[in-house]
Amino acid sequence: AQSVTQPDIHITVSEGASLELRCNYSYGATPYLFWYVQSPGQGLQLLLKYFSGDTLVQGIKGFEAEFKRSQSSFNLRKPSVHWSDAAEYFCAVGAGRLTGGGNKLTFGTGTQLKVEL
Amino acid sequence: DAGVTQSPTHLIKTRGQHVTLRCSPISGHKSVSWYQQVLGQGPQFIFQYYEKEERGRGNFPDRFSARQFPNYSSELNVNALLLGDSALYLCASGDVRAIQETQYFGPGTRLLVL
Repeated sequence: AQSVTQPDIHITVSEGASLELRCNYSYGATPYLFWYVQSPGQGLQLLLKYFSGDTLVQGIKGFEAEFKRSQSSFNLRKPSVHWSDAAEYFCAVGAGRLTGGGNKLTFGTGTQLKVEL
Repeated sequence: DAGVTQSPTHLIKTRGQHVTLRCSPISGHKSVSWYQQVLGQGPQFIFQYYEKEERGRGNFPDRFSARQFPNYSSELNVNALLLGDSALYLCASGDVRAIQETQYFGPGTRLLVL
């Protein structure tokens, strides 16, 4: 069974500081990995995804993430945080299109980011 | 292009009632998935439909059902509502032609059961 762990429930950073949100996954085959962001009362917006190839992936809003198979991690980073980045961030793993199983995403519990001005 | 749309945006029901939530996928997407997000948690997979057939189901009771229409829109139905069904219900659509599908989410329907 696939699972995702986001060890940090809350993180507070100062505007302009760098950011790293941690994500560890468990999956038996090649994982498909995603980061989504959710603003209060909103749906999920896709930040970036990893399917294969280059292990450093670039996303929207200046975010990037690095896939490390040896550590089962897919951490999200941003070199300089803006106040508008305050939101909840979710890491997810997808199983791909399994016969009869659909293509479900399994999400972590999320990390709430607060940005101090 | 319009994104995933969901209706209604908010809904208040009482225990024991039935609710129907609706979702329209991004144009060209034939896959629709439903997720439940309880306050303070990540979304939990309920169903996936594509080509109008159920392709995956999460660990939810039979009170939860869904269907997909010929235009690829979808309905999620929940019978005999419980207080614990209060949540944000998210719909996501994807392109089944892609080997690795990316799911794009709508704004959600917030359901409150009293």
